[in-house]
Amino acid sequence: QKEVEQNSGPLSVPEGAIASLNCTYSDRGSQSFFWYRQYSGKSPELIMSIYSNGDKEDGRFTAQLNKASQYVSLLIRDSQPSDSATYLCAVNTDNYGQNFVFGPGTRLSVLP
Amino acid sequence: DVKVTQSSRYLVKRTGEKVFLECVQDMDHENMFWYRQDPGLGLRLIYFSYDVKMKEKGDIPEGYSVSREKKERFSLILESASTNQTSMYLCASSPPGGLDTGELFFGEGSRLTVL
Repeated sequence: QKEVEQNSGPLSVPEGAIASLNCTYSDRGSQSFFWYRQYSGKSPELIMSIYSNGDKEDGRFTAQLNKASQYVSLLIRDSQPSDSATYLCAVNTDNYGQNFVFGPGTRLSVLP
Repeated sequence: DVKVTQSSRYLVKRTGEKVFLECVQDMDHENMFWYRQDPGLGLRLIYFSYDVKMKEKGDIPEGYSVSREKKERFSLILESASTNQTSMYLCASSPPGGLDTGELFFGEGSRLTVL
């Protein structure tokens, strides 16, 4: 059973701080890695994808991947109250439905 | 914009009732998925479909069935609802190869309560 793990939180950070969200996965054959944001009562939306080791930056968001450690992270710089949401890590092995696995999500609260 | 529409946002059913959850997408996507989302467990795949009349079991298919008679519509059926099926149900669609790029488009969800 492929597993994706995240701390459930809540993770609370003050406005303007860096929020760091972490995710580990069990399948070494995993090829692509994603972060989805889910506001309360809403559906998940894709915010970041990463495919190779290292960092990928998009605005205030940076995704980091370390395949040797089977670890993915999402950094949110200059956190805003509007970033308060649940962040879901997802890991894909081979574009087959059962091999696209979501973590349980981390709830982030950015305090004004 | 891709639109995935789920027929009911909130449903309350009795144990033993047959429940239909409908999902329609307007982007001609081949792939459609049904997930349930529970606190602490994340999204778990129930069934998915890569084509009309095609279905594949996900991780938790027990107690559920699906129907895909038309490309745009994917229905989830609970033959005899039980209280442990109380959950948020999310439908999603994806173009070919979409899982490689994370292109999963979700509906707004259907919150089912089974009494």
